[in-house]
Amino acid sequence: AQSVTQLGSHVSVSEGALVLLRCNYSSSVPPYLFWYVQYPNQGLQLLLKYTSAATLVKGINGFEAEFKKSETSFHLTKPSAHMSDAAEYFCAVSSSNFGNEKLTFGTGTRLTIIP
Amino acid sequence: KAGVTQTPRYLIKTRGQQVTLSCSPISGHRSVSWYQQTPGQGLQFLFEYFSETQRNKGNFPGRFSGRQFSNSRSEMNVSTLELGDSALYLCASSLGTSNTGELFFGEGSRLTVL
Repeated sequence: AQSVTQLGSHVSVSEGALVLLRCNYSSSVPPYLFWYVQYPNQGLQLLLKYTSAATLVKGINGFEAEFKKSETSFHLTKPSAHMSDAAEYFCAVSSSNFGNEKLTFGTGTRLTIIP
Repeated sequence: KAGVTQTPRYLIKTRGQQVTLSCSPISGHRSVSWYQQTPGQGLQFLFEYFSETQRNKGNFPGRFSGRQFSNSRSEMNVSTLELGDSALYLCASSLGTSNTGELFFGEGSRLTVL
């Protein structure tokens, strides 16, 4: 069974400050890991993904995440927050089994940017 | 390239009724997945269809069903609606032939059950 745990359902940071959203995973097979973002009244948009290549993954809008197997973590960071980053962020895991398109999502972290 | 299109975007039903939601995937995508999003339970996987066959299924009662047509368009149906079925239903499409799990989501159908 696979699962992800997102620490902190709400995170507030000042504009220009570092953004750090935490995600820990549990998987019995090598995982594929994802971060998605959801803006109000919209669907989910892929920010970045880890699929067993480089452990440091760069995504859109200046976000990046580092896969740490020893810590079973895949935290999302951005050096400098922008007002437009305010949204809900979801970490997700998928098994590496072929044809498995099922994603297991975390409970989400709502990011608020303080002007 | 058009994205994933879901219809209707909003709908209101009463308990006991049934509802059908539609999803048109990105052109060329053969896999369509459905997720239910609620404030209490978060995002939960309903089922996935690939080439008109259900390939994966989540832990939802039989009232929730789906199908996929030969053009990859998919519908999901919920019968005998309950208040707890109020949610945002998200459809996602992918090629379905890779194992990266990258999904492309529609904007969702927001169902309110009164």
